[in-house]
Amino acid sequence: DTEVTQTPKHLVMGMTNKKSLKCEQHMGHRAMYWYKQKAKKPPELMFVYSYEKLSINESVPSRFSPECPNSSLLNLHLHALQPEDSALYLCASSLSEGQMAFFGQGTRLTVV
Amino acid sequence: GDSVTQMEGPVTLSEEAFLTINCTYTATGYPSLFWYVQYPGEGLQLLLKATKADDKGSNKGFEATYRKETTSFHLEKGSVQVSDSAVYFCALRNFGNEKLTFGTGTRLTIIP
Repeated sequence: DTEVTQTPKHLVMGMTNKKSLKCEQHMGHRAMYWYKQKAKKPPELMFVYSYEKLSINESVPSRFSPECPNSSLLNLHLHALQPEDSALYLCASSLSEGQMAFFGQGTRLTVV
Repeated sequence: GDSVTQMEGPVTLSEEAFLTINCTYTATGYPSLFWYVQYPGEGLQLLLKATKADDKGSNKGFEATYRKETTSFHLEKGSVQVSDSAVYFCALRNFGNEKLTFGTGTRLTIIP
């Protein structure tokens, strides 16, 4: 299994909603990542978990809350988002630092 | 800090043409270098990688050689197909650093 699976594929939410994005991998990778990608731009790193501990937070607003319940799962909890948060959210994983990252298909989020 | 510079797009080529997408980098130490491809509406897929100077990464007819003397990792393909139409991202990761640094991406369109 060489896949990173993200659900849902598409999500539309209001500014007062609470929703969660999910990411799962069964490759035994110990590093997992959330990226945000706006249209026609490269992905921007949001968070990194290494061995289930948050190791990098790229100054992301608190309306985005990551969670790593175990080594295979990564969640991104969303609350009180703004329309400018609409983007493709990509999850990735890698065996460890310096190793190649595998990306999921992404969740396309629209905030209305 | 680390940075990646890619040639500006978009690039439009006829089928069976030769492709080069330039990528240069600035980094301390000895980074690993990657090319990722993003097809319309999808996440990123790793296309090829190189982890040390003079390494050549190759996959699906694409090649790139890690040139430390010119700090470059240009992507080449001898004969492109319509199915190669996508956005291509050059990226680097420094040893011990979880963060992937991406270039701005190059949109490639192949016309029959």
